Amino acid sequence: QVQLQESGPGLVKPSETLSLTCAVSGYSISSGHNWGWIRQPPGKGLEWIGSIYYSGSTYYNPSLKSRVTISVDTSKNQFSLKLSSVTAADTAVYYCARVCGGDCYLKEAFDIWGQGTMVTVSS
Amino acid sequence: QTVVTQEPSFSVSPGGTVTLTCGLSSGSVSSSYYPNWFQQTPGQAPRTLIYSTNTRSSGVPDRFSGSILGNKAALTITGAQADDESDYYCVLYMGSGIWVFGGGTKLTVL
Repeated sequence: QVQLQESGPGLVKPSETLSLTCAVSGYSISSGHNWGWIRQPPGKGLEWIGSIYYSGSTYYNPSLKSRVTISVDTSKNQFSLKLSSVTAADTAVYYCARVCGGDCYLKEAFDIWGQGTMVTVSS
Repeated sequence: QTVVTQEPSFSVSPGGTVTLTCGLSSGSVSSSYYPNWFQQTPGQAPRTLIYSTNTRSSGVPDRFSGSILGNKAALTITGAQADDESDYYCVLYMGSGIWVFGGGTKLTVL
């Protein structure tokens, strides 16, 4: 079955860049769908960060757009998140997910999720 | 920027019916926003309950249903059970590949 697994440092210093990777197994990224990142600060709600299509087209949350880069590596069947100039407010569980692309009528918005990885921003 | 609104908390008695809503700070929610509803328990990734307004995801009990009520998307739980006590989130599609989550509703069953 399709599985997603996040990886990356659990601790990032303020002002530095947070980098995470999501490895996809059981499905080829090149087969379609968008692939995205969602985060959840401790005790708070979900926030969509952005998504990418395998061809490289990207879609970003306007409130994070200036700091976010999402990229895809089809040869490794994975996609990545970079969030620059982090502060304590970026401390969160970061999830990767398979995201509906194109016409989402009768399709789940986020149908496969990774287990999530906690990233703490602290010196 | 558009804000998606949800009730912060709700309470329902076991066996009772509760309707959670998902609105917009400006404007009305329609099916063209492809409303999705998620259930999340502590320490777990969200699980899709409803997508495209009113379609239940695989394995979701039929006591969960989705609809448009007035100018909001709605999630109704009929015959609430103790293990329905969770956080519930909606997400709306804003176009151009952009999704916006609501702030979530903490549902208590007591």
